[in-house]
Amino acid sequence: GQQVMQIPQYQHVQEGEDFTTYCNSSTTLSNIQWYKQRPGGHPVFLIQLVKSGEVKKQKRLTFQFGEAKKNSSLHITATQTTDVGTYFCAGRGTGGFKTIFGAGTRLFVKA
Amino acid sequence: NAGVMQNPRHLVRRRGQEARLRCSPMKGHSHVYWYRQLPEEGLKFMVYLQKENIIDESGMPKERFSAEFPKEGPSILRIQQVVRGDSAAYFCASSRANGYGSTNTGELFFGEGSRLTVL
Repeated sequence: GQQVMQIPQYQHVQEGEDFTTYCNSSTTLSNIQWYKQRPGGHPVFLIQLVKSGEVKKQKRLTFQFGEAKKNSSLHITATQTTDVGTYFCAGRGTGGFKTIFGAGTRLFVKA
Repeated sequence: NAGVMQNPRHLVRRRGQEARLRCSPMKGHSHVYWYRQLPEEGLKFMVYLQKENIIDESGMPKERFSAEFPKEGPSILRIQQVVRGDSAAYFCASSRANGYGSTNTGELFFGEGSRLTVL
């Protein structure tokens, strides 16, 4: 069945450093979304990418969808302590209905 | 402009009892997903429903677990004869139909979760 892998599992950075998390699907995706979950909280939708090779930016966050629509990345420039949390990618296979989540990357930011 | 509402937020049950978790989607959303999350782990897909239909329940154990999304009222995830291993956070997410039939626009909006503890 469809699997979504995400690396790294954890990332410790100093405030001001950049951060990137990568997502790989075992099958071609019709779309991919990114979510952020703060400790003790619930996942919050950040963005959705649909087109092959798509790049979207939200302030310091840059999201990419691979040409083959099987991988994606989230890059945060100049991290801040408010960026702390777990970032999940999630994708739906072509012709499928369910949205499968990666295991998440937990980001720790040291001030 | 209420978001996805889940209740109860916390539920304690003894082994063998039943747990019933409710989810009211955002206004205008007719698609509901249920996910299970263990501490420090990811979100495991359980079931995807539309009004009165189960679209995909491949992530849900075949025994003791059931889900419904009636025409009126919230979606309900029911766990019968709970065991300690059922202790987890159960998140509901809703999405809007995309107008092309049985699929949705993709973006999921999550409730705050129901945290089940089985003693």
